[in-house]
Amino acid sequence: SQTIHQWPATLVQPVGSPLSLECTVEGTSNPNLYWYRQAAGRGLQLLFYSVGIGQISSEVPQNLSASRPQDRQFILSSKKLLLSDSGFYLCADGDTQHGYTFGSGTRLTVV
Amino acid sequence: SQQGEEDPQALSIQEGENATMNCSYKTSINNLQWYRQNSGRGLVHLILIRSNEREKHSGRLRVTLDTSKKSSSLLITASRAADTASYFCATRGGSEKLVFGKGTKLTVNP
Repeated sequence: SQTIHQWPATLVQPVGSPLSLECTVEGTSNPNLYWYRQAAGRGLQLLFYSVGIGQISSEVPQNLSASRPQDRQFILSSKKLLLSDSGFYLCADGDTQHGYTFGSGTRLTVV
Repeated sequence: SQQGEEDPQALSIQEGENATMNCSYKTSINNLQWYRQNSGRGLVHLILIRSNEREKHSGRLRVTLDTSKKSSSLLITASRAADTASYFCATRGGSEKLVFGKGTKLTVNP
Protein backbone atom coordinates (compact mmCIF):
# COMPACT_ATOMS: atom_id res chain seq x y z
CA SER A 1 0.00 0.00 0.00
CA GLN A 2 1.14 3.52 -0.67
CA THR A 3 2.34 6.08 1.85
CA ILE A 4 2.17 9.85 1.46
CA HIS A 5 4.87 11.91 3.12
CA GLN A 6 4.28 15.59 3.75
CA TRP A 7 6.53 18.08 5.43
CA PRO A 8 6.75 20.16 7.40
CA ALA A 9 3.89 19.32 9.77
CA THR A 10 3.50 22.92 10.91
CA LEU A 11 4.75 26.17 9.47
CA VAL A 12 4.46 29.81 10.54
CA GLN A 13 5.40 32.27 7.82
CA PRO A 14 5.19 36.06 7.56
CA VAL A 15 3.04 37.74 4.93
CA GLY A 16 4.98 38.22 1.72
CA SER A 17 7.39 35.35 2.32
CA PRO A 18 7.76 32.43 -0.11
CA LEU A 19 6.37 28.95 0.46
CA SER A 20 7.38 25.47 -0.58
CA LEU A 21 5.50 22.40 0.62
CA GLU A 22 6.65 19.00 -0.51
CA CYS A 23 4.73 15.78 -0.91
CA THR A 24 6.29 12.44 -1.84
CA VAL A 25 4.62 9.10 -2.44
CA GLU A 26 5.93 5.62 -1.74
CA GLY A 27 4.62 2.29 -2.87
CA THR A 28 3.13 3.22 -6.21
CA SER A 29 4.17 4.53 -9.59
CA ASN A 30 2.60 7.10 -11.90
CA PRO A 31 0.09 8.23 -9.27
CA ASN A 32 -2.53 10.93 -9.67
CA LEU A 33 -1.58 13.56 -7.10
CA TYR A 34 -3.68 16.26 -5.46
CA TRP A 35 -3.27 19.32 -3.26
CA TYR A 36 -6.24 20.29 -1.11
CA ARG A 37 -6.61 23.12 1.37
CA GLN A 38 -8.89 23.03 4.37
CA ALA A 39 -9.77 26.24 6.22
CA ALA A 40 -10.55 25.94 9.93
CA GLY A 41 -13.74 23.92 10.44
CA ARG A 42 -14.45 23.84 6.72
CA GLY A 43 -14.46 21.35 3.89
CA LEU A 44 -11.69 20.59 1.44
CA GLN A 45 -10.92 22.84 -1.48
CA LEU A 46 -9.06 21.27 -4.39
CA LEU A 47 -6.15 23.47 -5.43
CA PHE A 48 -4.18 21.45 -7.99
CA TYR A 49 -3.99 17.97 -9.39
CA SER A 50 -1.51 16.16 -11.59
CA VAL A 51 -1.82 12.99 -13.64
CA GLY A 52 1.86 12.87 -14.60
CA ILE A 53 5.26 14.56 -14.55
CA GLY A 54 4.98 18.19 -15.58
CA GLN A 55 1.19 17.96 -15.91
CA ILE A 56 -0.62 20.35 -13.56
CA SER A 57 -4.27 21.31 -13.51
CA SER A 58 -5.21 24.38 -11.49
CA GLU A 59 -8.60 24.54 -9.87
CA VAL A 60 -8.43 27.87 -8.11
CA PRO A 61 -6.62 30.89 -9.61
CA GLN A 62 -4.60 32.50 -6.84
CA ASN A 63 -1.03 33.17 -5.82
CA LEU A 64 -0.21 29.47 -5.38
CA SER A 65 1.43 27.21 -7.94
CA ALA A 66 2.28 23.53 -8.12
CA SER A 67 4.94 21.50 -9.83
CA ARG A 68 5.64 17.82 -10.36
CA PRO A 69 9.34 17.47 -11.11
CA GLN A 70 9.40 13.68 -10.49
CA ASP A 71 6.86 10.90 -10.76
CA ARG A 72 6.26 10.67 -7.01
CA GLN A 73 6.95 14.27 -5.97
CA PHE A 74 4.41 17.08 -5.85
CA ILE A 75 5.34 20.57 -4.69
CA LEU A 76 3.10 23.46 -3.70
CA SER A 77 4.67 26.91 -3.87
CA SER A 78 4.02 30.58 -3.47
CA LYS A 79 6.24 33.54 -4.18
CA LYS A 80 4.47 35.82 -1.69
CA LEU A 81 2.12 34.51 0.97
CA LEU A 82 -1.12 36.25 1.89
CA LEU A 83 -2.97 36.03 5.20
CA SER A 84 -5.73 34.18 3.35
CA ASP A 85 -3.28 31.39 2.49
CA SER A 86 -3.44 30.13 6.08
CA GLY A 87 -4.95 26.69 6.37
CA PHE A 88 -4.35 22.97 6.49
CA TYR A 89 -2.75 21.68 3.30
CA LEU A 90 -3.28 18.06 2.36
CA CYS A 91 -1.62 16.02 -0.34
CA ALA A 92 -3.35 12.93 -1.67
CA ASP A 93 -2.91 10.27 -4.30
CA GLY A 94 -5.36 7.89 -5.85
CA ASP A 95 -8.20 7.86 -8.28
CA THR A 96 -11.93 8.44 -8.26
CA GLN A 97 -12.73 4.76 -8.79
CA HIS A 98 -10.91 3.44 -5.72
CA GLY A 99 -10.44 6.42 -3.42
CA TYR A 100 -7.63 8.58 -2.17
CA THR A 101 -4.82 8.12 0.31
CA PHE A 102 -4.00 11.32 2.18
CA GLY A 103 -0.86 12.57 3.84
CA SER A 104 -0.87 13.84 7.40
CA GLY A 105 -1.03 17.47 6.28
CA THR A 106 0.80 20.75 6.85
CA ARG A 107 -0.71 23.40 9.12
CA LEU A 108 0.28 26.77 7.63
CA THR A 109 -0.21 29.99 9.58
CA VAL A 110 0.57 33.22 7.80
CA VAL A 111 1.20 36.08 10.23
CA SER B 1 -18.13 23.53 -6.83
CA GLN B 2 -19.71 21.68 -3.91
CA GLN B 3 -21.09 18.33 -4.95
CA GLY B 4 -21.86 16.58 -1.67
CA GLU B 5 -23.34 18.16 1.43
CA GLU B 6 -23.37 16.37 4.76
CA ASP B 7 -26.09 16.66 7.33
CA PRO B 8 -26.06 17.35 10.23
CA GLN B 9 -23.06 19.65 10.54
CA ALA B 10 -22.46 18.38 14.08
CA LEU B 11 -23.67 15.38 16.05
CA SER B 12 -23.09 14.52 19.70
CA ILE B 13 -24.00 11.10 21.08
CA GLN B 14 -23.20 8.78 23.96
CA GLU B 15 -20.89 5.81 23.64
CA GLY B 16 -22.80 2.74 22.53
CA GLU B 17 -25.40 4.68 20.55
CA ASN B 18 -25.66 4.62 16.78
CA ALA B 19 -24.64 7.62 14.68
CA THR B 20 -26.22 8.43 11.34
CA MET B 21 -24.85 11.00 8.90
CA ASN B 22 -26.37 11.92 5.59
CA CYS B 23 -24.96 13.17 2.32
CA SER B 24 -26.85 14.73 -0.56
CA TYR B 25 -25.36 15.35 -3.97
CA LYS B 26 -26.43 17.11 -7.13
CA THR B 27 -25.34 15.30 -10.27
CA SER B 28 -25.22 11.67 -11.34
CA ILE B 29 -22.42 9.59 -9.89
CA ASN B 30 -20.72 6.27 -10.48
CA ASN B 31 -19.64 5.96 -6.86
CA LEU B 32 -19.78 7.78 -3.54
CA GLN B 33 -17.08 7.60 -0.89
CA TRP B 34 -16.92 8.29 2.85
CA TYR B 35 -13.83 9.49 4.67
CA ARG B 36 -12.96 10.12 8.32
CA GLN B 37 -10.71 12.89 9.60
CA ASN B 38 -9.41 12.93 13.13
CA SER B 39 -8.61 16.39 14.45
CA GLY B 40 -5.49 17.82 12.84
CA ARG B 41 -4.88 14.77 10.67
CA GLY B 42 -5.33 13.70 7.08
CA LEU B 43 -8.45 11.99 5.80
CA VAL B 44 -8.81 8.23 5.85
CA HIS B 45 -10.86 6.38 3.26
CA LEU B 46 -13.63 4.38 4.93
CA ILE B 47 -15.87 2.91 2.29
CA LEU B 48 -16.88 3.27 -1.35
CA ILE B 49 -20.32 2.42 -2.67
CA ARG B 50 -20.98 2.16 -6.39
CA SER B 51 -24.04 3.56 -8.09
CA ASN B 52 -25.46 0.08 -8.74
CA GLU B 53 -25.23 -0.83 -5.04
CA ARG B 54 -27.85 0.08 -2.45
CA GLU B 55 -26.11 -0.93 0.74
CA LYS B 56 -22.61 -1.83 1.86
CA HIS B 57 -21.14 -2.93 5.18
CA SER B 58 -17.67 -2.71 6.66
CA GLY B 59 -17.35 -3.72 10.29
CA ARG B 60 -19.53 -1.31 12.30
CA LEU B 61 -20.12 0.88 9.26
CA ARG B 62 -23.16 0.65 7.06
CA VAL B 63 -23.57 2.85 4.00
CA THR B 64 -26.71 3.19 1.93
CA LEU B 65 -27.15 4.89 -1.41
CA ASP B 66 -30.38 6.11 -2.98
CA THR B 67 -29.61 7.38 -6.46
CA SER B 68 -33.23 8.41 -7.07
CA LYS B 69 -32.98 10.83 -4.15
CA LYS B 70 -29.30 11.58 -4.76
CA SER B 71 -28.49 10.80 -1.15
CA SER B 72 -26.36 8.50 0.97
CA SER B 73 -26.19 7.74 4.64
CA LEU B 74 -23.39 6.48 6.86
CA LEU B 75 -24.38 4.58 9.98
CA ILE B 76 -21.87 3.81 12.71
CA THR B 77 -23.25 1.24 15.11
CA ALA B 78 -22.30 0.88 18.78
CA SER B 79 -20.19 4.02 18.65
CA ARG B 80 -16.99 4.41 20.66
CA ALA B 81 -15.11 7.46 21.88
CA ALA B 82 -12.47 6.67 19.23
CA ASP B 83 -15.11 7.31 16.53
CA THR B 84 -14.98 11.01 17.41
CA ALA B 85 -13.95 12.68 14.15
CA SER B 86 -15.29 14.56 11.15
CA TYR B 87 -16.86 12.51 8.39
CA PHE B 88 -16.93 13.57 4.75
CA CYS B 89 -18.65 12.25 1.69
CA ALA B 90 -17.01 12.63 -1.70
CA THR B 91 -18.08 12.24 -5.29
CA ARG B 92 -16.39 12.65 -8.61
CA GLY B 93 -16.31 16.28 -9.65
CA GLY B 94 -15.33 15.82 -13.25
CA SER B 95 -12.20 14.31 -14.80
CA GLU B 96 -10.02 12.62 -12.17
CA LYS B 97 -10.88 14.56 -9.04
CA LEU B 98 -13.05 14.13 -5.97
CA VAL B 99 -15.19 16.87 -4.51
CA PHE B 100 -15.77 16.73 -0.75
CA GLY B 101 -18.61 18.05 1.35
CA LYS B 102 -18.08 20.21 4.43
CA GLY B 103 -18.35 17.27 6.77
CA THR B 104 -20.23 16.15 9.84
CA LYS B 105 -18.40 16.58 13.13
CA LEU B 106 -19.20 13.60 15.34
CA THR B 107 -18.53 13.66 19.06
CA VAL B 108 -18.94 10.42 21.01
CA ASN B 109 -19.08 11.04 24.75
CA PRO B 110 -17.73 8.33 27.05
